[in-house]
Amino acid sequence: SAVISQKPSRDICQRGTSLTIQCQVDSQVTMMFWYRQQPGQSLTLIATANQGSEATYESGFVIDKFPISRPNLTFSTLTVSNMSPEDSSIYLCSVNRGTTNYGYTFGSGTRLTVV
Amino acid sequence: AQRVTQPEKLLSVFKGAPVELKCNYSYSGSPELFWYVQYSRQRLQLLLRHISRESIKGFTADLNKGETSFHLKKPFAQEEDSAMYYCALSSNDYKLSFGAGTTVTVRA
Repeated sequence: SAVISQKPSRDICQRGTSLTIQCQVDSQVTMMFWYRQQPGQSLTLIATANQGSEATYESGFVIDKFPISRPNLTFSTLTVSNMSPEDSSIYLCSVNRGTTNYGYTFGSGTRLTVV
Repeated sequence: AQRVTQPEKLLSVFKGAPVELKCNYSYSGSPELFWYVQYSRQRLQLLLRHISRESIKGFTADLNKGETSFHLKKPFAQEEDSAMYYCALSSNDYKLSFGAGTTVTVRA
């Protein structure tokens, strides 16, 4: 399965600032996704990162708040913009090779605390 | 829309006892179901896929389309099974929907 490197692993940020999270995969993958896991809750899909085009956002998530880039088949970034304490969560990158035969691989996550 | 339900938030069993984690789903299409596990301080990792019908670490899960369930079972729990377990469903566009998760504690 693919190996994902996600950075940073954690950060403490001031409200009103922005943080960009990076996801690097060791092989080309078709599908890349970004999830959020709020404290004590399950994982919620934020968006699908599309290579060469705008990301596809789920209901409740917008591009202005969570801009996503995917310049190639091995890399993506998620930015959490104009942060507030409610954005304190774990953010995870996930990849799939375009088939569910191999399941989905997850990054180690970025634990974000907004103060 | 798809939905995954894990009714038990916490599950505590003794070592050597059977353990069953419940998962029910709703999905209008043909579901692909997974169990993911997250051990303490580790990343989320795939435990089982329903299409492979395999047994991993002694765990099995059978898809029951009539009952729309995909329960995870292990006949004899071990202390190293203590973890958070998530049931997940993949839709046709490869998006994963997760259940709320069940924290399993295996006591000696």
